[in-house]
This record gives sequence, structure tokens and C-alpha cells, in this order.
Amino acid sequence: VQLVESGGTLVQPGGSLRLSCAASGLSVSSNYMSWVRQPPGKGLEWVSVIFSGGSGGSTYYADSVKGRFTISRDNSKNTLYLQMNSLTAEDTAVYYCAREGYDLSDTYSGLDYWGQGTLVTVSS
Amino acid sequence: EIALTQSPATLSLSPGERATLSCRASQSVSSYLAWYQQKPGQAPRLLIYDASNRASGIPARFSGSGSETDFTLTISTLEPEDFAVYYCQQRRNWPQTFGQGTKVEI
Repeated sequence: VQLVESGGTLVQPGGSLRLSCAASGLSVSSNYMSWVRQPPGKGLEWVSVIFSGGSGGSTYYADSVKGRFTISRDNSKNTLYLQMNSLTAEDTAVYYCAREGYDLSDTYSGLDYWGQGTLVTVSS
Repeated sequence: EIALTQSPATLSLSPGERATLSCRASQSVSSYLAWYQQKPGQAPRLLIYDASNRASGIPARFSGSGSETDFTLTISTLEPEDFAVYYCQQRRNWPQTFGQGTKVEI
């Protein structure tokens, strides 16, 4: 399994950015997939999740990004996305994509696969 | 939102010693609790899920215990590679949340 994020860069406050997470060895459409971020020198913050399921899946967002960020996926490209709008300095962080795992008994088994992260810097 | 409080913030120990890390939830999370290890410049690594189950490939010196609101991660004998930051995470409710982390330092 490999998850590779891309799209992070320097962006001005108020700007937009789309992050990508290309998956291999697992199907993004068959798994719950999350974005987690980590501001420089700080702890982990969950951002968003998209549930498994065909052409679409339920989504949830942290209050801090609700209404500004949108999670989606392209099943044909096996890629997860995070569209980020109205960015502020508080969104500066390394953004990770991760799989929400479930074991054989369908018990939640943690964020078991992570990408290497992509850095988003919001600054003028 | 369920808040997770980890203690201590920093744990100063030597290789060979035992480490005990605590995670307390603001309300019951049942056993929907996981632990992660993170080293500088790396993504987090899953250690424990469902409060006490070791993830694949995790050494037996790592163990988790607890339920409802109080959880513990124990490293029985610290190896040099275990010095890192450890986070707990709950998935009982959305939004899932992380604790603020415990740094285990030499």
C-alpha cells in the first residue's frame, strides 16, 4: 500500500488549493479515507473523512474547516482530493491522507496507512 | 466533540526503562481508542487500536489498556528507537480527535 500526497505549496491568505492523494495497493472507493493535518511543531488534527461506497460517500469535516474544505475522490484515478478555499494562516500545516482501517471482524483498526504528507503554507 | 488529554506532556527516561503514558477522554469512547508513534519528519505510525490490539508488525513491548475514559500505553522496555512523540486518538464519535501528544525523551 502506498499513499502519495501532492499539491502543497505557498499560497496567499484567501486563496485556494487542491491537494491530491494517489493510492496504490488499496481502493479509495472501498475504504474510508481521511485527511489529517499537523501545523509546524504542533500536534495532529483530523480534517475530513469520506466514507466508502460507489459513486459517492458520506463526508464529515472538522468545525475548523467546515464550509471551506471539500473532500472528494476520483475512483477511476484511485485518488483522494481535498479542495481548500478561503485559506488562512491557521491552515498552514503538513497535510496527510490516511486510510481508516477495519479488521476482519469489522472492528475499527485505526489510521493504518499514511502518506508522507504535503506542506501547505499560507502567507503573504 | 470528545477531548483527549494526554499526560505527562514529556517523559524523560533511559533505554531499558518502562514508559507509561496516559490518555483521558472527556466522555466515554468505549474501546474506540488508538495510539500512534511519530518521529521527526515522519508520518505517524499506528501502534495500538481498539484500546489494546497491537497493529501489524508492532513489537510486543508495546501494550495498550483501558476502556471508557481512561487509557494507558505501556512500553515495557524502552529501546533507542522508541524515543518519539505518542498520540492517542478516538473514533467513537465524529469528529475523531487526537490528544496533544506525549514526548518520550532520553
